[in-house]
Amino acid sequence: GENVEQHPSTLSVQEGDSAVIKCTYSDSASNYFPWYKQELGKRPQLIIDIRSNVGEKKDQRIAVTLNKTAKHFSLHITETQPEDSAVYFCAASRGGTGGGNKLTFGTGTQLKVEL
Amino acid sequence: ETGVTQSPTHLIKTRGQQVTLRCSSQSGHNTVSWYQQALGQGPQFIFQYYREEENGRGNFPPRFSGLQFPNYSSELNVNALELDDSALYLCASSRNQETQYFGPGTRLLVL
Repeated sequence: GENVEQHPSTLSVQEGDSAVIKCTYSDSASNYFPWYKQELGKRPQLIIDIRSNVGEKKDQRIAVTLNKTAKHFSLHITETQPEDSAVYFCAASRGGTGGGNKLTFGTGTQLKVEL
Repeated sequence: ETGVTQSPTHLIKTRGQQVTLRCSSQSGHNTVSWYQQALGQGPQFIFQYYREEENGRGNFPPRFSGLQFPNYSSELNVNALELDDSALYLCASSRNQETQYFGPGTRLLVL
């Protein structure tokens, strides 16, 4: 089955700096890669996703890049703010048009944005 | 916030008991997936229901079972509870197996 590895497990940045979180996956049939943000005691919240026919996607301060050949994808957050502090999870799926099938999650990255 | 709701929010059970957790999917969604999230870990896929039928199952024993109703809401049942079943149980709804949106979860503690 699919295996998703995520690094780093913790990341501390100064406000205004950029943060990068990296994930690798094992199943070459995976074609959908969402990123979720989870604040303490809250639900995972979808922040951005990318499909395998696209190499990069951007939404304001957040971007995701995908390298299908190397089987890795990354989350980039620019101009970090204290409210970006949370646990971030990457995931991979073989789902059809949108990846609604089984999501395999990484182990999470605790991002702390310091003032 | 998504339109996905779960009940109850918290639950305490003792080992050997049975529990039923409920999930109401977002309007227009016909697929519900259930995940178990242990403390400090990523969510682990339990199973998915699509149009009232099980559509994929993760590495969980048969004492984890589920159901989806005609209105696409869903239940997760766990029999013979074990201490290791203590976790946050999340459901996620989607439309035609597309992007998944999570509910707030049910925190289960097994004593």
